[in-house]
Amino acid sequence: GAVVSQHPSRVICKSGTSVKIECRSLDFQATTMFWYRQFPKQSLMLMATSNEGSKATYEQGVEKDKFLINHASLTLSTLTVTSAHPEDSSFYICSARVPQTLYGYTFGSGTRLTVV
Amino acid sequence: AQSVTQLDSQVPVFEEAPVELRCNYSSSVSVYLFWYVQYPNQGLQLLLKYLSGSTLVKGINGFEAEFNKSQTSFHLRKPSVHISDTAEYFCAVGPSNTGNQFYFGTGTSLTVIP
Repeated sequence: GAVVSQHPSRVICKSGTSVKIECRSLDFQATTMFWYRQFPKQSLMLMATSNEGSKATYEQGVEKDKFLINHASLTLSTLTVTSAHPEDSSFYICSARVPQTLYGYTFGSGTRLTVV
Repeated sequence: AQSVTQLDSQVPVFEEAPVELRCNYSSSVSVYLFWYVQYPNQGLQLLLKYLSGSTLVKGINGFEAEFNKSQTSFHLRKPSVHISDTAEYFCAVGPSNTGNQFYFGTGTSLTVIP
């Protein structure tokens, strides 16, 4: 089946540094990828939608300059958390729409970000 | 606008007992309905989905769900749970007119007690 590989699975960084999270579709071309954020014991909240070759669409309340999304190829989307702070600590999950399916989505395994 | 309500945040159940995880939704348009499972520190895995057709949907790991349009519900059931079913379960809706956006519930933590 369609698989999205997300790396790293865990990352700890110092406050003020930047962290890049990658999501790669392994056996299909993902023209659209979605980035979610999940706080402990809470649901997934959509942060942004990235489309290959164009600017990402951010949900209301999500800082574009803080959460940089790049979708430069049909198989890779990246989320960079810039100047990270402890409040950015969270679980980040990407998802890709599988082509030629009706609501066929596959999710990455998630990245646990801890900012210290 | 669409929203999803999972009525139970935590559900403890003994092994081999039946379980029902409740999900209600509201939407001004037709929706598709989904149940996902999340194991600790992992992504989401699709259990089952309702797009059309039979309102009783069977998924993986012995789970099933029934779409009830009049009650706007999509409850998840399993007749006999195993320890390995301990996980977080999310109900989600997707508007049929966009095909693009998920709205997730807040999740139900299922704990199977030996």
